[in-house]
Amino acid sequence: NAGVMQNPRHLVRRRGQEARLRCSPMKGHSHVYWYRQLPEEGLKFMVYLQKENIIDESGMPKERFSAEFPKEGPSILRIQQVVRGDSAAYFCASSPVGDWQPQHFGDGTRLSIL
Amino acid sequence: DAKTTQPTSMDCAEGRAANLPCNHSTISGNEYVYWYRQIHSQGPQYIIHGLKNNETNEMASLIITEDRKSSTLILPHATLRDTAVYYCIVRVGIQGAQKLVFGQGTRLTINP
Repeated sequence: NAGVMQNPRHLVRRRGQEARLRCSPMKGHSHVYWYRQLPEEGLKFMVYLQKENIIDESGMPKERFSAEFPKEGPSILRIQQVVRGDSAAYFCASSPVGDWQPQHFGDGTRLSIL
Repeated sequence: DAKTTQPTSMDCAEGRAANLPCNHSTISGNEYVYWYRQIHSQGPQYIIHGLKNNETNEMASLIITEDRKSSTLILPHATLRDTAVYYCIVRVGIQGAQKLVFGQGTRLTINP
């Protein structure tokens, strides 16, 4: 069984460019979550999506960040006009339907801003 | 969210059982306890979860006290590969609000 797939594993962008991070959930999982881990810090929740719906975006910065989980294809976390402070590891997790189902994480995308 | 308290760090000898404690004194009756670990900078790995009964799987055992105010994760025969940061998380269980809130965790070091 394939786990949560994230790509790219490493992404380098210059300040002002756009970053697109992709996440394919585990087979049969319809819930996707994005978390961010800044250097030397803990993981912080960003957004929770179901197919075509954003359920909870309480952890998303108000500007430049957006997320989607379309009917077909992977979930996308998009960061516009990146700044140095966006350098972090971004992790995606997925879970099946059910309130208490555990989330399973991918290996993350390391975003570096030059 | 119910907050959890874990020791900052622990050491354990290879081959011995590693017992990681967690306090969650404000846990609600319908909140589960989840354990994850993060090895170096990899993605967090799900270990086990439980509500009130003790649980066991191929990775670990979870012992929850009767009052549910604390729990212990047990790795029965620790190996060097178990060196990681271990997170005890009480899940926000309301449908539609299922984020995980990670604390600082316990940095477990397995010594040869």
